[in-house]
Amino acid sequence: AQSVTQPDIHITVSEGASLELRCNYSYGATPYLFWYVQSPGQGLQLLLKYFSGDTLVQGIKGFEAEFKRSQSSFNLRKPSVHWSDAAEYFCAVGPYETDKLIFGTGTRLQVFP
Amino acid sequence: ETGVTQSPTHLIKTRGQQVTLRCSSQSGHNTVSWYQQALGQGPQFIFQYYREEENGRGNFPPRFSGLQFPNYSSELNVNALELDDSALYLCASSLGQGMGTEAFFGQGTRLTVV
Repeated sequence: AQSVTQPDIHITVSEGASLELRCNYSYGATPYLFWYVQSPGQGLQLLLKYFSGDTLVQGIKGFEAEFKRSQSSFNLRKPSVHWSDAAEYFCAVGPYETDKLIFGTGTRLQVFP
Repeated sequence: ETGVTQSPTHLIKTRGQQVTLRCSSQSGHNTVSWYQQALGQGPQFIFQYYREEENGRGNFPPRFSGLQFPNYSSELNVNALELDDSALYLCASSLGQGMGTEAFFGQGTRLTVV
């Protein structure tokens, strides 16, 4: 079955610290992989996406993600977290960029000053 | 901020009632997808409309139905509301499918069923 697992429900980091959010997927074909961010009361904003090519993907707001096929993972990273990064982060997988995205349950990021 | 707007932003309904949620897609976009996001969960795909035709459906009962209009705006209708229908409903618009297209999400409609 197609699925996305985000094992960390809640992560707390200090401002300026590095961040890694984990994502594992199960998908039969070569998938599109995405990371979205959702601030309270807001919709989803795309941070980055991967389909093919370089396995290290750069996104907006200083985020990057690395696709590891052997581990079925697509972890999100940021070298130095800002207080404004506090939000909910969702990993998603799909056959296209727009079609029937399967989301994980999300990781809530809290940032302390 | 995306060009996708949803209305209303909040809604309270009674169990058994019917509700219509609306989505105005970004200019030029011909595809609209709807997602349900229950509290503490990730969004779940309900269905997608492409050029006014349903183009895929998730695991939702028939009382969830939709429409897409010639201007590509869309409605989500839910009949016989149940308490579990309480959720944030997200609309995403895009220009077709495939490589090079991106879905842009609206801010959602928060539906509470009491």
